[in-house]
Amino acid sequence: EPEVTQTPSHQVTQMGQEVILRCVPISNHLYFYWYRQILGQKVEFLVSFYNNEISEKSEIFDDQFSVERPDGSNFTLKIRSTKLEDSAMYFCASSEGVLPYEQYFGPGTRLTVT
Amino acid sequence: AQKITQTQPGMFVQEKEAVTLDCTYDTSDQSYGLFWYKQPSSGEMIFLIYQGSYDEQNATEGRYSLNFQKARKSANLVISASQLGDSAMYFCAMRPLSGSARQLTFGSGTQLTVLP
Repeated sequence: EPEVTQTPSHQVTQMGQEVILRCVPISNHLYFYWYRQILGQKVEFLVSFYNNEISEKSEIFDDQFSVERPDGSNFTLKIRSTKLEDSAMYFCASSEGVLPYEQYFGPGTRLTVT
Repeated sequence: AQKITQTQPGMFVQEKEAVTLDCTYDTSDQSYGLFWYKQPSSGEMIFLIYQGSYDEQNATEGRYSLNFQKARKSANLVISASQLGDSAMYFCAMRPLSGSARQLTFGSGTQLTVLP
């Protein structure tokens, strides 16, 4: 069964460093998403991406964040200068289409900023 | 704006019993979708079941069913014949089905523990 994959599973970085989180969505899916979950809290939407551009973003997704689909399979989230409060689990998700299509989540990348 | 409320931070159920996890929602959208996800201790988010606001019948997927009461704005998850492997965090989520917004809005979750 096709699945969303994410690498790395755990990333530790120092405050102020740049990190890139990688995702490979399900191959025939057209919509891609990033969510984050701070430990013990609810899952929060960051950004959605379709047709090589951002279609929605939340208030969390400020200038420190960017997304890219560098090739036909990868979807990346970059945090330019990490802060302690960026420590969270980051989930990539993808969906086949707009309606109503379920979003399938990857296993997540746990980011720890020290 | 959409809001999901899960009022049960933790629930316990005996193995083989049924359990209901509560979810209420608030939205101004006329057309919306409701979802339940399971998050085991390993951390991944597993899609369980979907209900559209336009669906007249409650959704079912194996041992999972969604008790959708539109007038009460509730979308409770019912797990029948609980198994030890059902122990996990369960999240209710929703998104509008009209317009361009596709983001899921999640509740705070319910930690389910299945007792042997």
